[in-house]
Amino acid sequence: EIVMTQSPATLSVSPGERATLSCRASQSVSSNLAWYQQKPGQAPRLLIYGASTRATGIPARFSGSGSGTEFTLTISSLQSEDFAVYYCQQYNNWPSTTFGGGTKVEIK
Amino acid sequence: EVQLVQSGAEVKKPGESLKISCKGSGYSFTSYWIGWVRQMPGKGLEWMGIIYPGDSDTRYSPSFQGQVTISADKSISTAYLQWSSLKASDTAMYYCVRSYGSWFDPWGQGTLVTVSS
Repeated sequence: EIVMTQSPATLSVSPGERATLSCRASQSVSSNLAWYQQKPGQAPRLLIYGASTRATGIPARFSGSGSGTEFTLTISSLQSEDFAVYYCQQYNNWPSTTFGGGTKVEIK
Repeated sequence: EVQLVQSGAEVKKPGESLKISCKGSGYSFTSYWIGWVRQMPGKGLEWMGIIYPGDSDTRYSPSFQGQVTISADKSISTAYLQWSSLKASDTAMYYCVRSYGSWFDPWGQGTLVTVSS
């Protein structure tokens, strides 16, 4: 099983600042990686797929990068609605898939 | 609009059986895989398994094989997740998801299952 490790577990950021979230795979997943956002009491929402393609309706301040084993989600200027938990997911050996443990982005 | 609408919250006792549902609309239900994801209280996301409603081809995560059954009724565009004997450790939120190009989009609103004596 491919293990996905996200860091940090919690990220404290002030509104308007940049946030950088990391996701590492235990073996190469090529660009078969997605990012999701989950707000309290809500279902997760797709942000990024293919490591760097924004899903429909996702603001341009969200960007994804990386390939192989190292991936990054960047939020260029945090808005109040962006404080949430973010998960990465690899789907390189679909239908088997695994999620990272999540990074909580909180207000500093 | 593509939507997955799940059945309501359930409160069950250990040893009871349960079947929760997920109805798809706004797209061709038989053309996309439907998966299930567990989220235990305060924890992360775990993939449980997936079904292709077109031919009922079903795959399970090794962690959930034998613990749950995934099925679908394409005539009513509905997928199911069922347990034959619930345990307290099955207490969680369960999400159904459409596998669109291997990633998950959209997600259902979730069904909270509480198992307590």
